[in-house]
Amino acid sequence: SAVISQKPSRDICQRGTSLTIQCQVDSQVTMMFWYRQQPGQSLTLIATANQGSEATYESGFVIDKFPISRPNLTFSTLTVSNMSPEDSSIYLCSLGGEYADTQYFGPGTRLTVL
Amino acid sequence: QKEVEQNSGPLSVPEGAIASLNCTYSDRVSQSFFWYRQYSGKSPELIMSIYSNGDKEDGRFTAQLNKASQYVSLLIRDSQPSDSATYLCAVNMGAQKLVFGQGTRLTINP
Repeated sequence: SAVISQKPSRDICQRGTSLTIQCQVDSQVTMMFWYRQQPGQSLTLIATANQGSEATYESGFVIDKFPISRPNLTFSTLTVSNMSPEDSSIYLCSLGGEYADTQYFGPGTRLTVL
Repeated sequence: QKEVEQNSGPLSVPEGAIASLNCTYSDRVSQSFFWYRQYSGKSPELIMSIYSNGDKEDGRFTAQLNKASQYVSLLIRDSQPSDSATYLCAVNMGAQKLVFGQGTRLTINP
């Protein structure tokens, strides 16, 4: 199976700033996704990162707050913009596996906003 | 009504016993179901997928699916302390969109 890496693994940021999270895969994959896991909560899908086109966002998530790039089939970034303490979460990228709907997760980025 | 529901636990099981984790879902047309294990501070790890009614076994793990009842479960036989984790049920709601339950925290007591 593909190896997924995320950078940074964790960060502490100030309110009002932005952070860009990188997700790198060691092989080409069609489907990449970004999730958020708030403290003590389950995972919520933010968006599907589409290669060469705009990301598809889920209800409650907007491009201005969470811009996503997917320049090729091995890389994607998620930016958390104008952060507030409510954005403190673990952000995870995932990719589709051997079946289109099987997903595997990266190690995650633990974000704390002060 | 939540789309995917799990008992949040904690569920405490003695070592060597069978741990039974349950999940119900709301969308009758869902076709794909997954169990993930998440250790504290780690990302979710896929342990089982199931697509057809009935049982699917993989080592000490058995997934059970009943589409008529909209119910999926995970059995862990011969539970070990290393099985202590949060178990997340996920359902494909279409277009590769996975919806996760709240997770059940499982503790195996030596």
